[in-house]
Amino acid sequence: NAGVMQNPRHLVRRRGQEARLRCSPMKGHSHVYWYRQLPEEGLKFMVYLQKENIIDESGMPKERFSAEFPKEGPSILRIQQVVRGDSAAYFCASSPGQGGVDEQYFGPGTRLTVT
Amino acid sequence: QQQVKQSPQSLIVQKGGISIINCAYENTAFDYFPWYQQFPGKGPALLIAIRPDVSEKKEGRFTISFNKSAKQFSLHIMDSQPGDSATYFCAASFSNQFYFGTGTSLTVIP
Repeated sequence: NAGVMQNPRHLVRRRGQEARLRCSPMKGHSHVYWYRQLPEEGLKFMVYLQKENIIDESGMPKERFSAEFPKEGPSILRIQQVVRGDSAAYFCASSPGQGGVDEQYFGPGTRLTVT
Repeated sequence: QQQVKQSPQSLIVQKGGISIINCAYENTAFDYFPWYQQFPGKGPALLIAIRPDVSEKKEGRFTISFNKSAKQFSLHIMDSQPGDSATYFCAASFSNQFYFGTGTSLTVIP
């Protein structure tokens, strides 16, 4: 029973390039969350998605960032024209989203470095 | 606005001692309160969780105490071990939306 999978685990991008982070939720989970974590800091909520729907994107910067969770395939967090301040660990989490079960499980994260 | 307030920011405990981390919330709609443990370079791992219909939940050396009237909950780690050294996050959830505390860095010294 595979857990939440994220790839790549490490990503290096030059300023101005695009970063694509992928997340495959646990089997049977239909809800995906993205968080950002800076060194020595807590988890900052970015976006909450269900299949083909964005439920809450209140934590997502208005520009350059977008997220999707298509009917088929992984969830994608996309950062366009990356800047140094985007360097962080990005974590994806999933939850069943059904039957009132809230348990949320995290992936290992993608560490983005912008040079 | 921080929905969940966590303290202390860092904690140092002797091996064998009790580690206590506290969280407080305001929104009475929250109905699920998990704790996560995170080691450096890893993702947070679900440690233990409680719902507001009980006041305490124990799993091994980890106990959550929940005070609904005070809107507070805490994590107790009994017989703390050096391997427990990690960052701990509390969270509160309702309707599948999660709010995290700012984390507590725990160091257990031998």
